[in-house]
Amino acid sequence: EAGVTQFPSHSVIEKGQTVTLRCDPISGHDNLYWYRRVMGKEIKFLLHFVKESKQDESGMPNNRFLAERTGGTYSTLKVQPAELEDSGVYFCASSQSGIGAGQYEQYFGPGTRLTVT
Amino acid sequence: AQKVTQAQTEISVVEKEDVTLDCVYETRDTTYYLFWYKQPPSGELVFLIRRNSFDEQNEISGRYSWNFQKSTSSFNFTITASQVVDSAVYFCALSRINFGNEKLTFGTGTRLTIIP
Repeated sequence: EAGVTQFPSHSVIEKGQTVTLRCDPISGHDNLYWYRRVMGKEIKFLLHFVKESKQDESGMPNNRFLAERTGGTYSTLKVQPAELEDSGVYFCASSQSGIGAGQYEQYFGPGTRLTVT
Repeated sequence: AQKVTQAQTEISVVEKEDVTLDCVYETRDTTYYLFWYKQPPSGELVFLIRRNSFDEQNEISGRYSWNFQKSTSSFNFTITASQVVDSAVYFCALSRINFGNEKLTFGTGTRLTIIP
């Protein structure tokens, strides 16, 4: 079974440019999460999709970030325009859904390293 | 608000030594999950363990063991007889227990280097 994949693995852009990150979750996983790690700091939650709907976007830093999940499959995270402080590693994770209290394991992708110069 | 503290930024030990990674958490929830993830050089986060706050029993899996102490809000991770392949960044995380899937709150990670 294929794991969570992310594209690109690295991206270097100039301040003011636009970048789009893509995440393909594990097939059948309704839940998709975006996280970000700025160098040396903790991994921080950005947002959570359940299928195509945004369940929780409380971690999105500002309106320069736009996340979509077309048809409940893959997701994109667009940064426009990029700023220096957006540099970091962006992780995507997915998990299955179920009925009842419980937390299913989140499977993480390898991340996209974004450098804004 | 939830918070996870991993005070050890970097640890280096010689191969075959035992090493303990510390994790202290803060939460106002009475029930919660605790996790450990490993990030090898390849970059992806690999799930190691999930512990429900109801269960304070220590867990052992091969060379790995976890010590959960609710009284001190700690969830420490010990590697026995360390190996070079254990070199990685290790993250402790916390989440609420809910009927849906909840976001993870991570610590800043501990970089572990095993010296051959």
